Amino acid sequence: AIQMTQSPSSLSASVGDRVTITCRASQGIRNDLGWYQQKPGKPPKLLIYAASRLPGGVPSRFSGSASGTDFTLTISSLQPEDFATYYCLQDYNFPFTFGPGTRVDIK
Amino acid sequence: EVQLVESGGDLVQPGRSLRLSCAVSGFTFDEFAMHWVRQAPGKGLEWVSGISWNSGSINYAASVEGRFTTSRDNAKNSLYLQMNNLRPEDTALYYCGKDRGLRDYDSIDHWGQGTLVTVSP
Repeated sequence: AIQMTQSPSSLSASVGDRVTITCRASQGIRNDLGWYQQKPGKPPKLLIYAASRLPGGVPSRFSGSASGTDFTLTISSLQPEDFATYYCLQDYNFPFTFGPGTRVDIK
Repeated sequence: EVQLVESGGDLVQPGRSLRLSCAVSGFTFDEFAMHWVRQAPGKGLEWVSGISWNSGSINYAASVEGRFTTSRDNAKNSLYLQMNNLRPEDTALYYCGKDRGLRDYDSIDHWGQGTLVTVSP
């Protein structure tokens, strides 16, 4: 199975900060990666698919990029509603695998 | 509006069985793959299973392979997860999710609210 590592595991940031979260795949997965935001007591929400594409309704401050087996989620200017846990998911092959998550909380 | 509603979660003893259901609406169910994802209390997300639009491809995580069976009834707009020989480590909130790929696999773009399965003596 493809292993997904994620860094950092947690971070503290302030409103307005630029935040970057990275996922690394244990092997090539093309651009078959999504990013999800989860708030306590809620289901995950898709933020990015195909490594860099935004679904409708997702704010443009979220962006994704890829370089080889490294994938990055960037929040350009952190907003109060962005404090949450973020996960990556590879959908390249089965079994699909999530990263362990990055918790973003208020500094 | 896309809606996914899970049901069937319960408190069960180890070794017993349980069947989860997911009723969907708001999209053409038989054109999209579906998934089950679980989250143990206070833990991260774990992909459990995925089934293609026509049930021609069904895949499982190693942790549930041979014990869980995913199926769908396209006429009833419903997804199912049959869980046998349950273990305490299967305790989790189980989400069903819709794949965004048309007759293909892609990211999960819609999620239900989840149904809680607790496995305990």
